[in-house]
Amino acid sequence: QVQLQESGPGLVKPSQTLSLTCTVSGGSISSGGYYWSWIRQHPGKGLEWIGYIYYSGSTYYNPSLKSRVTISVDTSKNQFSLKLSSVTAADTAVYYCARGFRSGGGNAFDIWGQGTMVTVSS
Amino acid sequence: EIVMTQSPATLSVSPGERATLSCRASQSVSSNLAWYQQKPGQAPRLLIYGASTRATGIPARFSGSGSGTEFTLTISSLQSEDFAVYYCQQYNNWVYTFGQGTKLEIK
Repeated sequence: QVQLQESGPGLVKPSQTLSLTCTVSGGSISSGGYYWSWIRQHPGKGLEWIGYIYYSGSTYYNPSLKSRVTISVDTSKNQFSLKLSSVTAADTAVYYCARGFRSGGGNAFDIWGQGTMVTVSS
Repeated sequence: EIVMTQSPATLSVSPGERATLSCRASQSVSSNLAWYQQKPGQAPRLLIYGASTRATGIPARFSGSGSGTEFTLTISSLQSEDFAVYYCQQYNNWVYTFGQGTKLEIK
């Protein structure tokens, strides 16, 4: 069965770039049909979708974060990654990677990583 | 951006009883709506997509209904493992948004 696992630094300094990687096991990103997303959850708050990438490399980002976000894919390693630049304390959150599948007009998310807490602090 | 509003914020129900959670969209999302369950320290778990289709492995006591702007998640007979936070998510356009959540607690 497909599993996702996030990895990356748990502490990032303000103004620096947050970098996370999601490793997919039990299935291949290259097989297509799924949209590989990043979603975050601020402490004690709701969920915010950041963006997705398709295996071909096409991406779509939340306009509220678009100027700071880059999502990339490495099919040879079966991984996709998130970079969020110029971070502030407001970017402190649990970051999830998730698999999106097409349902009607867009994507629901059927498989999630366990999440990784990222704190922005000097 | 489509705003999703869930009510109530907290719902207290006794085990074995029925729970009804609501989700309203600021504009029509057709049937492009999903429900998730989240327990403390865990990732969300997909329950329902397409407003009413149960995800793989989800018990039949969970059901979803609605279309357009009004949606409901019903849990027919609450089990102890059902007490958690529930989120709705719209995916009608390409900016996916979630509700703020309903906490289902034991009465």
